Amino acid sequence: KAGVTQTPRYLIKTRGQQVTLSCSPISGHRSVSWYQQTPGQGLQFLFEYFSETQRNKGNFPGRFSGRQFSNSRSEMNVSTLELGDSALYLCASSTLQGPGGIQYFGAGTRLSVL
Amino acid sequence: SQELEQSPQSLIVQEGKNLTINCTSSKTLYGLYWYKQKYGEGLIFLMMLQKGGEEKSHEKITAKLDEKKQQSSLHITASQPSHAGIYLCGADVDSSYKLIFGSGTRLLVRP
Repeated sequence: KAGVTQTPRYLIKTRGQQVTLSCSPISGHRSVSWYQQTPGQGLQFLFEYFSETQRNKGNFPGRFSGRQFSNSRSEMNVSTLELGDSALYLCASSTLQGPGGIQYFGAGTRLSVL
Repeated sequence: SQELEQSPQSLIVQEGKNLTINCTSSKTLYGLYWYKQKYGEGLIFLMMLQKGGEEKSHEKITAKLDEKKQQSSLHITASQPSHAGIYLCGADVDSSYKLIFGSGTRLLVRP
């Protein structure tokens, strides 16, 4: 089985632009979660989707949004980029409908905001 | 996350030595997950613990969740250079769909 696939792997943007990151979960997994990893704040939860519905959201501004498609693929969007948005963005997929599932992570998208 | 404290922050050991990494939560753990990360890459799942007193092993790595379900330890026996990386504990502290993570332990194994 293929793992979680994130595209692109690297992105360079300038302040004020917007960006869309993509995540394809492991086949059969319907839950997709997004995390932001920075040296200062570590790994922080952004949001989680299951069957196209957002079930949980972390403490991030409204500039961060996401969605999930009927095939479970997910995208996250960051609008009006700020320097502090530079980070490794990780996507994880899980098979369980409820809590307690193992989350399998992709290789991440490294976003640099100049 | 301050809710999940990992120690030590970094560790340098000689190949062949044993080591332990700890993860302590300020809340009851509904699930505790150990991951390994190579710098700048994704997380590799190691083990999941859910029941107090549970212990799991894979190859030379053993993880335990204490009876009160607020602390976990990861023990590596006879460390090898391939064990080097960042070890992260992640926890479900409110029986939801999100994980909070510790700040990680950076492990270096000297040949």
